[in-house]
Order: sequence, then C-alpha cells, then structure tokens
Amino acid sequence: KAGVTQTPRYLIKTRGQQVTLSCSPISGHRSVSWYQQTPGQGLQFLFEYFSETQRNKGNFPGRFSGRQFSNSRSEMNVSTLELGDSALYLCASSWFPESSTEAFFGQGTRLTVV
Amino acid sequence: DQQVKQNSPSLSVQEGRISILNCDYTNSMFDYFLWYKKYPAEGPTFLISISSIKDKNEDGRFTVFLNKSAKHLSLHIVPSQPGDSAVYFCAASGSGGSNYKLTFGKGTLLTVNP
Repeated sequence: KAGVTQTPRYLIKTRGQQVTLSCSPISGHRSVSWYQQTPGQGLQFLFEYFSETQRNKGNFPGRFSGRQFSNSRSEMNVSTLELGDSALYLCASSWFPESSTEAFFGQGTRLTVV
Repeated sequence: DQQVKQNSPSLSVQEGRISILNCDYTNSMFDYFLWYKKYPAEGPTFLISISSIKDKNEDGRFTVFLNKSAKHLSLHIVPSQPGDSAVYFCAASGSGGSNYKLTFGKGTLLTVNP
C-alpha cells in the first residue's frame, strides 16, 4: 500500500513568487492536513480538508491556501513568498477527520525562499 | 500559547537502557495523544497513541503512560537501541467531528549511544 506522496521534494523560489505543493493521500484516506515545520516553531498546523471542504484552519496569513479534489488529493498554495516561508511542508492523511485516529505523514516538501 | 510542551530538547541514553520522553499539555479538551518519530529530511512516523480513557498503552518496546490529572504523558522505550535515535514529537488532538488537527510539541532529540 503506497504511503502519502508529496511533490516536489525540494523547491527553491524567489521572494514574491507563488508556489503550489501537491499531496496524494494513502488510498482510501479522505482527510488531508497540512503542517509547516521550522526549526524555531516546530510543527504547526496549516489546514485540514475532508470531502473537498476545509474543516479547520491554523493561524497563518491568507497567503496560505489549499484545496482538495474529489479523489482526495490536495494542493496548498503560498502566494507572495517571503523569506520566512522557508520550511518543510508536511502533508498528513487519515481515514476520517476524527480526533481518535492516527495521521500518516508524507516525506514533505522542502521549500527554500531566496 | 504552547498547548503541548516537551521541556527537554534533547536526551542521551546508553543502548539497552530505558529512554523516557516527557510531554505536558494544558488544553483539557485534548482526548487523544500520539507520539511520532522523525528522522532528518523525512516526515514524522506514527509510533503509538493513547486515548484519554486509558492510562497506559503498550506496543512492543514502546509504552505510553497518560496521567490526566497532571496533564502529563510519557513515552518509555525499553530497551533503547541506536536506531531509536531521532526526534520524538508528542501530539494531541481534541474532540472529534469537524475539528481534526494535531497540536505538536517542539520535539525531543533522542540519542542512543552504542
């Protein structure tokens, strides 16, 4: 059974540009969440999608957005990139958006903004 | 306000000994707790979880203890092996429904010395 797949693995962008990251969840998983990992802040929740609907959103500016498609694949977009957006972006999938389930993570996309 | 705290940034133990990683939380709405292990440049890997209705859960060399009154949980690894060297994240989630998100601690770097 394939795990969570994130593409691309690495990305270098210039300040002011925009970027789109992709996540394919484990087959059958319908909930997809996104997290940002930075050395100082650890893992911080960005947003969560279930059945193409954003169910929950973390404390990030509107430059960060996402969506989920009917096949549960998800994308996140960051517009007007800033140097501070450099981070490892992790996607996680789970069966349902219930608290008592485990989330399984992809390997992440390492975004560097120069 | 950090709702999940891992106060030890690092821990070093000898191979064969017990590793104890600690985690404290402040939000009494959390009802499910998880431990993840993370190697550099990879996504977190789910290790073990515990529901708030239990006080102990065991899986092989890994045991998680939950003390609800103290809002404290710990992960015990016995015996510790060099391959256990990684960053360990404690995570918590709240009541289910449409509010699924994981709140992570900042992690503890475990080093198991041969």
